[in-house]
Amino acid sequence: EAGVVQSPRYKIIEKKQPVAFWCNPISGHNTLYWYLQNLGQGPELLIRYENEEAVDDSQLPKDRFSAERLKGVDSTLKIQPAELGDSAVYLCASSLAGQQTGELFFGEGSRLTVL
Amino acid sequence: DAKTTQPNSMESNEEEPVHLPCNHSTISGTDYIHWYRQLPSQGPEYVIHGLTSNVNNRMASLAIAEDRKSSTLILHRATLRDAAVYYCILRGGGGSQGNLIFGKGTKLSVKP
Repeated sequence: EAGVVQSPRYKIIEKKQPVAFWCNPISGHNTLYWYLQNLGQGPELLIRYENEEAVDDSQLPKDRFSAERLKGVDSTLKIQPAELGDSAVYLCASSLAGQQTGELFFGEGSRLTVL
Repeated sequence: DAKTTQPNSMESNEEEPVHLPCNHSTISGTDYIHWYRQLPSQGPEYVIHGLTSNVNNRMASLAIAEDRKSSTLILHRATLRDAAVYYCILRGGGGSQGNLIFGKGTKLSVKP
């Protein structure tokens, strides 16, 4: 069974440029998460989707970050414009819906470098 | 959010048991204790979780104190592949309480 797939794995851009990350969750997983991980830190939750609805986006910096999950499957996370401080690994995870004990499955992440 | 406290780093010798501690003194009655680990250049992966009773699976054991204010992840026989950052996380009920909120974790080094 395929795991969570993310692309691109690596992205280098100049500051003020836009960037987008794509995530394909495990088939049948209704819940999708985007996390940000800075070097030496644990992942920080940006947004959680239940199907196509963003049920928790309180930590998403909405001035420059946006996300969508059309049709409740794949998701994209966009940054526009990127800033130097956005350099980090962006992780996508999925799980079965609404389970307190449910396991989250993470992708390998997309590493962003902003120059 | 309920918080956990873990040592920043620990060292172990290969093929020896490892006990990774976690304190969670403000845990609520409905919080589950989850452990994830993150190998270098990979996303986190699930290890184990529990509520009150000790739990065992193929990867590890989870020992939960009777008052639930602390827990210990036990790797019975560490291998070099177990070198990773281990996160102890409290996961509550519905809504945002069910989100997985990571701390800094414990970086485990395994010496051959």
